[in-house]
Amino acid sequence: SQELEQSPQSLIVQEGKNLTINCTSSKTLYGLYWYKQKYGEGLIFLMMLQKGGEEKSHEKITAKLDEKKQQSSLHITASQPSHAGIYLCGAVGDNDMRFGAGTRLTVKP
Amino acid sequence: DAGVIQSPRHEVTEMGQEVTLRCKPISGHNSLFWYRQTMMRGLELLIYFNNNVPIDDSGMPEDRFSAKMPNASFSTLKIQPSEPRDSAVYFCASRTGGAEQFFGPGTRLTVL
Repeated sequence: SQELEQSPQSLIVQEGKNLTINCTSSKTLYGLYWYKQKYGEGLIFLMMLQKGGEEKSHEKITAKLDEKKQQSSLHITASQPSHAGIYLCGAVGDNDMRFGAGTRLTVKP
Repeated sequence: DAGVIQSPRHEVTEMGQEVTLRCKPISGHNSLFWYRQTMMRGLELLIYFNNNVPIDDSGMPEDRFSAKMPNASFSTLKIQPSEPRDSAVYFCASRTGGAEQFFGPGTRLTVL
C-alpha cells in the first residue's frame, strides 16, 4: 500500500517566519490533499493537487506537487498564530485516502 | 448542507461494553470512510464504503470491530466488546468521485 512520510514531525516558528512542510510518497501520487486539524477538531480541507508541477495557493499557504508526483510541499509565508495546528497530507489510492502522520505546527507570538 | 454528522461527539464507557458510533454523510456523496486517530498511530483508515458496499476493511483492527451502511445516509461503527486500547478519536468522512473528502467532527471515545 502507499505510504506517506511527512517531515518535520513538529515545527516551532516565530510569528512572521516562513516555513515548509514536506510529504513524500512511496508511490506515484494521483491525488494529493492537504488538510489542517486543530486539536480535538475535525480535518479542514486546504488544497488538492493532481498534476505534476501543479501549484496552488490559499491566502498565505502554497502547496506544490513535484514533476515526478512523488513529493509535495506546503509553504506558509509570514506565519501567524492562526496557522498553528496539525497539517496532514493525504493520498488517493485505488479508491481510498490514506494519510501521513502529520506535522504539528506551533507559532510563537 | 450540514456537513458530515457524527454522534455521539464524546463517549465514555467501561471495558467490555458495546459501543456504537454513528455517521450521516453529506447527501449525494457515494463514498464513506471511517478513520481512527491516536497520538501513537496517527490517522488510520479502518474501512470504506462505495455506494453502501464495503470495499476495503483491511484496516479494521480486530473482529471486535464491525461497520455497516444500511443506506446512503447512515453508517455505524460498532465495537464489541470494547477495550481501553480502543480509546481514540473516530472520524467519518464522505466524498463523491475524486473530489474533496469532507470530514465529520469526530467522536472521542474513552474506554475505561
